[in-house]
Amino acid sequence: AQSVSQHNHHVILSEAASLELGCNYSYGGTVNLFWYVQYPGQHLQLLLKYFSGDPLVKGIKGFEAEFIKSKFSFNLRKPSVQWSDTAEYFCAVNLGNNDMRFGAGTRLTVKP
Amino acid sequence: GAVVSQHPSWVICKSGTSVKIECRSLDFQATTMFWYRQFPKQSLMLMATSNEGSKATYEQGVEKDKFLINHASLTLSTLTVTSAHPEDSSFYICSARGAQVTGELFFGEGSRLTVL
Repeated sequence: AQSVSQHNHHVILSEAASLELGCNYSYGGTVNLFWYVQYPGQHLQLLLKYFSGDPLVKGIKGFEAEFIKSKFSFNLRKPSVQWSDTAEYFCAVNLGNNDMRFGAGTRLTVKP
Repeated sequence: GAVVSQHPSWVICKSGTSVKIECRSLDFQATTMFWYRQFPKQSLMLMATSNEGSKATYEQGVEKDKFLINHASLTLSTLTVTSAHPEDSSFYICSARGAQVTGELFFGEGSRLTVL
């Protein structure tokens, strides 16, 4: 079945640690990829997106993600996390029509 | 970025009553709006897609008579949960997109429905 998989349900890090959240999808063909973030008590916001071109995309707040087509992956990274990065992170895949599929989400807790 | 607002943010109702949730795009015209349902510790599940002026397209397994969706204008879509039951208790989220098909989605704050 077509799906978006996020490997970690809950990640706990200390401030200044490096972050990598995994995302794999199982769709063939052209896809558009997104990472959204949901801070506590707030709505989903776009972190970054990949449509085409450079597979390493940079988003807001120091986040970046790398699209590796051969691995069907779009992992999110940040070199040094902050307490304010505590949130839920969702990977999403848009098939180019109205079909937007989300991963189950990864909760990130950053300890001060 | 563009702003999408949902109202109410939370609602408690008795079993058997109907509840309406509004989703508004405040500073852009939303040609397409999406309604999602999010269960605890789970992903957003797409319920339906609505295009302004036409009937909503429901995902498999979503009862269209149970979850009535109206997208009467380019800035407003409503979701009405009819004859709500406790199993309908959930977090409902809307998102909106402008004319570009592969464009960014903008999300509302979500509406927490609790059916007693």
